[in-house]
Amino acid sequence: GEDVEQSLFLSVREGDSSVINCTYTDSSSTYLYWYKQEPGAGLQLLTYIFSNMDMKQDQRLTVLLNKKDKHLSLRIADTQTGDSAIYFCAENASGTYKYIFGTGTRLKVLA
Amino acid sequence: NAGVTQTPKFRILKIGQSMTLQCTQDMNHNYMYWYRQDPGMGLKLIYYSVGAGITDKGEVPNGYNVSRSTTEDFPLRLELAAPSQTSVYFCASINEDRVGTGELFFGEGSRLTVL
Repeated sequence: GEDVEQSLFLSVREGDSSVINCTYTDSSSTYLYWYKQEPGAGLQLLTYIFSNMDMKQDQRLTVLLNKKDKHLSLRIADTQTGDSAIYFCAENASGTYKYIFGTGTRLKVLA
Repeated sequence: NAGVTQTPKFRILKIGQSMTLQCTQDMNHNYMYWYRQDPGMGLKLIYYSVGAGITDKGEVPNGYNVSRSTTEDFPLRLELAAPSQTSVYFCASINEDRVGTGELFFGEGSRLTVL
């Protein structure tokens, strides 16, 4: 079945870049996503990438996809304290309408 | 705009009790989902629905039931609560033509504790 793995914690200093990594198992996933969850709230979509792309940039966010290794990463440039949150990688399981989420990475930004 | 509304926000149940978590969306979305979130485990899909009258099991459906009699409502029922069902539950919805974008709308969550 589908599985999405992430490291649980990441700590960076304000102004540095953050890189959050994710591995997935379903090689036929058409879309891959990054969501952000702030304390006490539901998830919000940050960005997504189509599986035929290697990279997508959206302001401070850069998504890299290595389809061969089934590896997805999210880079946040100039990380701010407001970026402190849990970040989830997710895939759209091929041929279904299911979204499978990773374990989430808690990003802590130190002032 | 209300979006996705979940009730209750908090609930404590005794082992063996039953309850229903309510989820309503006012965006006329076809697809609705129930997830549970446990620390270090991420979100696990319990059940989902692609339209009124149609429901399907997700990754962790045991101990839960759902129904979808209208487009707006997707209640989640726990029949015999167990401590393993202590979790935060999220309802989400998306319109059919946005499925690829992953632009899910999430409720604020319902925190359930079973003692």
